[in-house]
Amino acid sequence: AQKITQTQPGMFVQEKEAVTLDCTYDTSDQSYGLFWYKQPSSGEMIFLIYQGSYDEQNATEGRYSLNFQKARKSANLVISASQLGDSAMYFCAMREANTGNQFYFGTGTSLTVIP
Amino acid sequence: EAGVVQSPRYKIIEKKQPVAFWCNPISGHNTLYWYRQNLGQGPELLIRYENEEAVDDSQLPKDRFSAERLKGVDSTLKIQPAELGDSAVYLCASSARNTRRNIQYFGAGTRLSVL
Repeated sequence: AQKITQTQPGMFVQEKEAVTLDCTYDTSDQSYGLFWYKQPSSGEMIFLIYQGSYDEQNATEGRYSLNFQKARKSANLVISASQLGDSAMYFCAMREANTGNQFYFGTGTSLTVIP
Repeated sequence: EAGVVQSPRYKIIEKKQPVAFWCNPISGHNTLYWYRQNLGQGPELLIRYENEEAVDDSQLPKDRFSAERLKGVDSTLKIQPAELGDSAVYLCASSARNTRRNIQYFGAGTRLSVL
């Protein structure tokens, strides 16, 4: 079974609008971490936001917020006020406590911001 | 603070030739990862080091791939001989152990083309 599922291969959003990128995960661990990374065409993976499984509040980092629904095992990324520079691939990832520091990545969502 | 540095950025070789990639992690980061990323997919772990010890190399094709992390700092990933299917982006990442979030920080990657 896939540990991380991203069902949206591609998304389009109008500049200045908000967009939600979906991510669901599969784990039987109680302790885990969820991450979102951005990968522009240059290739570098840029860390955006982190949510711990025990965190009661949804994580926020500037224009990025994580809609964490633990019972549904979803960790959707919300980007508010989209900018042209947000056009990139976005990857959801999970780290399980019982596998040490191993990360599992999804297949990514390509976001295009339209002027 | 300098990020994860990888070299070269691009490499084009003919099949059956050897190739090596180098990674310098963020200073003080104990854990180092090598990933392979095929086009349109998320990164897949090849090997993970804790200091100089390889603690997870289950996905490393050991017949042709080798890696080392001397003195627990820089690391080299080698392929010998390269095959057409090895064309991919090779990403290096590092993280600091004993931090709650254990965020992985990535280098810009090496894009390998095997002809």
